[in-house]
Amino acid sequence: GENVEQHPSTLSVQEGDSAVIKCTYSDSASNYFPWYKQELGKGPQLIIDIRSNVGEKKDQRIAVTLNKTAKHFSLHITETQPEDSAVYFCAASPSGYSTLTFGKGTMLLVSP
Amino acid sequence: GAGVSQSPRYKVAKRGQDVALRCDPISGHVSLFWYQQALGQGPEFLTYFQNEAQLDKSGLPSDRFFAERPEGSVSTLKIQRTQQEDSAVYLCASSGRMYEQYFGPGTRLTVT
Repeated sequence: GENVEQHPSTLSVQEGDSAVIKCTYSDSASNYFPWYKQELGKGPQLIIDIRSNVGEKKDQRIAVTLNKTAKHFSLHITETQPEDSAVYFCAASPSGYSTLTFGKGTMLLVSP
Repeated sequence: GAGVSQSPRYKVAKRGQDVALRCDPISGHVSLFWYQQALGQGPEFLTYFQNEAQLDKSGLPSDRFFAERPEGSVSTLKIQRTQQEDSAVYLCASSGRMYEQYFGPGTRLTVT
């Protein structure tokens, strides 16, 4: 089955800095890669996703890149703000089947 | 519009008791997923419904776990004879399209 590795497990940045979270996956059949933000006591919130026919996608301060050859995808957050502090999860889904396999999460702390 | 709702938000059960967790998906969403999230971990797949049909239950950890969605809308996850290792947050997600999944706030189950 699919295995998703996520790094780093914790990330501390200063407000205004950029943050990058990286994930690798094992199943070459995976073709959908969402990112979720989870705040304490809440469910995961979909913030951005990318499909295998695209190499990069951007939405305001967040962007995701995908390298299918290397089985690697990353989340980039620019101009970080304290409200970006949360746990971020990457996930992967195999082609034609929408069950998600999640990474273990990255706790992002943005200090004012 | 209304998102995915789950009830109860918190449940404390004595070991050996049965529990039932409810999920109300986004109206019109065909697909419904249950995930289990242990403390400090990413969500892990339990089971998947398309309308009322349970298409995949490979993630259910034992035969004490049972899920249903009889009318293709509300779903219930039932755990019989709860054990301490069942303590976790149980997340429900729904999807109206093939890929994007929207999560509810979860039910935190504590087995004492």
